[in-house]
Amino acid sequence: EAGVAQSPRYKIIEKRQSVAFWCNPISGHATLYWYQQILGQGPKLLIQFQNNGVVDDSQLPKDRFSAERLKGVDSTLKIQPAKLEDSAVYLCASSLDSGNNQPQHFGDGTRLSIL
Amino acid sequence: AQSVAQPEDQVNVAEGNPLTVKCTYSVSGNPYLFWYVQYPNRGLQFLLKYITGDNLVKGSYGFEAEFNKSQTSFHLKKPSALVSDSALYFCAVPGSSNTGKLIFGQGTTLQVKP
Repeated sequence: EAGVAQSPRYKIIEKRQSVAFWCNPISGHATLYWYQQILGQGPKLLIQFQNNGVVDDSQLPKDRFSAERLKGVDSTLKIQPAKLEDSAVYLCASSLDSGNNQPQHFGDGTRLSIL
Repeated sequence: AQSVAQPEDQVNVAEGNPLTVKCTYSVSGNPYLFWYVQYPNRGLQFLLKYITGDNLVKGSYGFEAEFNKSQTSFHLKKPSALVSDSALYFCAVPGSSNTGKLIFGQGTTLQVKP
């Protein structure tokens, strides 16, 4: 099966600019996650979708971050305006459903550098 | 709150020797526990999980993990390390909201020397 696809792989922007990331999960996976991985740390959940509904966005900085999964398949994550502290790898993952026993399948991520 | 800890930033082993990457957990209720591996510039890959049952869980690439309830540990092991096992390893536990989101440890870099 095709894995989780993410684009772009790398992005460099200046602070206060905007940026968007795209994710296409594994076909048939109802649950989609966006994680932020800062260098030297484990991934931290930003937002979780079940189909096209938001399950958990408690850790999403909503003043600057937004995400959508309008048709319940692919998803976009946007940052506007970007801050220096947003430099990180943004990982998208998907799973069949939201059960705690479901392994998550990760894309290769987008590495964001803020100048 | 659910959490995991990986006490070692880096583990160094010689190729052919056994390896152990440590993880301890703090959860309410019965734990689900996961191990993932991350190669440079790649996403995380699922290695194995503990749900219930046998305390020794076998996973991908010859890895296994031992669940120890009394020590609240879930250490990752492999009998004979390969240079290609060199990577960043993460232990994880689902959050308390029962929605499947994962709480990750800080990660342990495994370096296998020829």
